[in-house]
Formats: sequence, C-alpha cells, structure tokens
Amino acid sequence: DTGVSQNPRHKITKRGQNVTFRCDPISEHNRLYWYRQTLGQGPEFLTYFQNEAQLEKSRLLSDRFSAERPKGSFSTLEIQRTEQGDSAMYLCASSLTGGQSSYEQYFGPGTRLTVT
Amino acid sequence: LAKTTQPISMDSYEGQEVNITCSHNNIATNDYITWYQQFPSQGPRFIIQGYKTKVTNEVASLFIPADRKSSTLSLPRVSLSDTAVYYCLVGSSGLGAYSGAGSYQLTFGKGTKLSVIP
Repeated sequence: DTGVSQNPRHKITKRGQNVTFRCDPISEHNRLYWYRQTLGQGPEFLTYFQNEAQLEKSRLLSDRFSAERPKGSFSTLEIQRTEQGDSAMYLCASSLTGGQSSYEQYFGPGTRLTVT
Repeated sequence: LAKTTQPISMDSYEGQEVNITCSHNNIATNDYITWYQQFPSQGPRFIIQGYKTKVTNEVASLFIPADRKSSTLSLPRVSLSDTAVYYCLVGSSGLGAYSGAGSYQLTFGKGTKLSVIP
C-alpha cells in the first residue's frame, strides 16, 4: 500500500498523559500536514512541513502540541498533558510541492484520540 | 481564504444525478476551487479541482460560471456508496507564518452531507 498511513488508529488515554502519533506520508511527497477533526465538523489545519522544516502552525496548536518531521520522511505529533478537549480525530495528509498540486492532498485514515 | 457556503445536507435516490452548489462570493483572482469527499471514519479524499468553466474526471464534473462566485459539483448516477460528506474549498498560496513560503493549508467548512436512498 503506497498511501498515507497513521499509527495508532485508536488511542485511549487518561487526562494528563502524553500521547504520540505517527504519520508516514506517500514517499515522493515532500509536504506533510496535520489536521484535527471533531464530530460534525470539517478538519481543521494544525501545522505543515516542507521536507523537515515546519513552515506554518495554526493558533490551534497550543504549546502542549509539538510536531516533528526528522529527515523529511515520517512525522510525529505529540500532545503533552492531554485534556478532554483534545479528543478528536487527528488526520495526516501529504502532497507534492508546487502551485495547485499542493491542494491535492492525500489523507491518511486518522488516529482517533479519546481522553478520559 | 475565501469563505464558502454550501447546503448542510441533501438526499437523493440511487441512479439520479446530484448537484451540490457552493457559494464563494469573495473568491480571489488566484483562487482555485477544490472538492473533497469524506466517508465516516476515513480521511477526506480529493475529488476534483478547477479554476473556471468546466472540469470533468472519472468521478465528477465541476461547473464554474464566468464570475466564479459559485461552483457546482455534479455526481452522475449516484449509488449508495456515494453517501458521504462533500467539502468545497477555495484558496491559493499565501504567505506562511514563519518563512514567507506559500501556505497550502486547506480550510474546510462543515460540508454537505449527501445521503443516497435506495
């Protein structure tokens, strides 16, 4: 399978714990994006990388959230001291660089986080 | 980024053509119009993108009038498997917050929930 993969698919954690999610993009895509989606809403942008550089972060990304993309391949999203409001589906997407091709983003299946 | 307005929900019978219209009155000259489809518990999937007139692919057609203030996604002969949420997005590159590079975040609204009835 050459699509975007995310692990784990589901995560249940207790409030205050730290969690880390992984995203493996399509191999030739150098742009990688993280989004968050809550029930009944469309996905909301969190951050994006071009290769290993994090080029943009949303105001939604509080200081408890950190994302990395070492070596410009896979990416991790860590949430520290989780809160119940962090419960959501976390989606990763990747795309090619350049003009309108970046609007054709390929999404993974997401990681559903439940904070109890 | 231009704001978009689309119906919250639509129902259709199997085999019918479905047209979902999206309004984007403040679309900018450089903006493209992109549609995504999302099934429950899956990430969104790119359907089609256009700038003006008509674009067609194996999945759908996209009609864009001359003023570009709206667009219509047309799904021919829908089946039960087309039941999903459809998102209309409008945007173009802008300045990134940190590097001045192009910003390619997608801004999703609530989308249109299409229910196909047998």
